[in-house]
Amino acid sequence: AQKITQTQPGMFVQEKEAVTLDCTYDTSDPSYGLFWYKQPSSGEMIFLIYQGSYDQQNATEGRYSLNFQKARKSANLVISASQLGDSAMYFCAMREANTGNQFYFGTGTSLTVIP
Amino acid sequence: GAGVSQSPSNKVTEKGKDVELRCDPISGHTALYWYRQSLGQGLEFLIYFQGNSAPDKSGLPSDRFSAERTGGSVSTLTIQRTQQEDSAVYLCASSLAPGPGGYTFGSGTRLTVV
Repeated sequence: AQKITQTQPGMFVQEKEAVTLDCTYDTSDPSYGLFWYKQPSSGEMIFLIYQGSYDQQNATEGRYSLNFQKARKSANLVISASQLGDSAMYFCAMREANTGNQFYFGTGTSLTVIP
Repeated sequence: GAGVSQSPSNKVTEKGKDVELRCDPISGHTALYWYRQSLGQGLEFLIYFQGNSAPDKSGLPSDRFSAERTGGSVSTLTIQRTQQEDSAVYLCASSLAPGPGGYTFGSGTRLTVV
């Protein structure tokens, strides 16, 4: 089974609107971390936000927030007030405490912000 | 340095040749990862180094791939007898410790095998 599933290959959003990028995960490890990365056309991977499995509150970083629904095993990224510079690929990733050594990445969502 | 540095940024090589890709992690970062990203795909784990421990090589796709990390710092990923399917962006990431925190990625090396 896929560890990380991103079902939206492409998304469009109007500038200044909010957008939600979906991510579901699969693990039996009670301790894990969930990450979102942004990859602009330049190719670098930019860390956006992190949610630990034991965190009680949803993570927020500026315009980014993570809608963590543990029972549903979902970790959706919400970008508020979209900007043209938000156009990029977005990857959801997970790291498990027991397997430890690697990130599992989803296949990504391409976000395009429309002026 | 301020970030993870990878070189070269682009490499074009002929099928059958060997290539070496270099990663300079952030100073003091003990954990170092190599990932491969094929066109339009997510990231594929290749290998992980943590301090002086034996590396986790479970992601290397074949014995043509190898990596080393000298002195717990710079890492080199070597691909022998390159094939066209090796064409991809090779990304390196490092972190201060192997905990659940964020990792810093380099800009990658785009390898094209012709």
